[in-house]
Amino acid sequence: DAKTTQPPSMDCAEGRAANLPCNHSTISGNEYVYWYRQIHSQGPQYIIHGLKNNETNEMASLIITEDRKSSTLILPHATLRDTAVYYCIDRDSGGYQKVTFGTGTKLQVIP
Amino acid sequence: DTEVTQTPKHLVMGMTNKKSLKCEQHMGHRAMYWYKQKAKKPPELMFVYSYEKLSINESVPSRFSPECPNSSLLNLHLHALQPEDSALYLCASSRTGHSYNEQFFGPGTRLTVL
Repeated sequence: DAKTTQPPSMDCAEGRAANLPCNHSTISGNEYVYWYRQIHSQGPQYIIHGLKNNETNEMASLIITEDRKSSTLILPHATLRDTAVYYCIDRDSGGYQKVTFGTGTKLQVIP
Repeated sequence: DTEVTQTPKHLVMGMTNKKSLKCEQHMGHRAMYWYKQKAKKPPELMFVYSYEKLSINESVPSRFSPECPNSSLLNLHLHALQPEDSALYLCASSRTGHSYNEQFFGPGTRLTVL
């Protein structure tokens, strides 16, 4: 079963920051938090991942709380092309190759 | 080359047919994955290959048969499928299977079983 929970949907105005929350309260010390997104009918696209520290790349920022029980993905200036389903995943430490997707958040960027 | 390719893009097959899906990457990745995605659902892991050896089979029915002939290629052989097997089949690869390596996904094969 998926170990992350996310709101099913969110709206964001174009040009504003999109903040997508994720709860992973059962995460263990060696598990990474990953974010992927999937634009309609395409393959998932990797966005960012982190273990303990906040991370930033050209696409987004990842803020992980100090207790690691939740995280937030930030898209700093959302565009219409960011409309997608965003998945937060914690990588299974028991079988490190396993990846279990949760139900994701459908982000709708509004003009 | 930083992409995962999958062929065919679309496949329609009858329940008695035998067909194969193909996945290829040239990034030197040593872990490759098959996922199945039904409409409006998240992808579900089916198989994992690590260094060309099957390391995870998520209790997938035997009518799905994976094969990894070399480090760049991953096949999924299909036989005697059911209409409920209609889905988007996604291939992915990562540098190794370790959790600090991100997965790169292909565009998928849309399979319809009649």
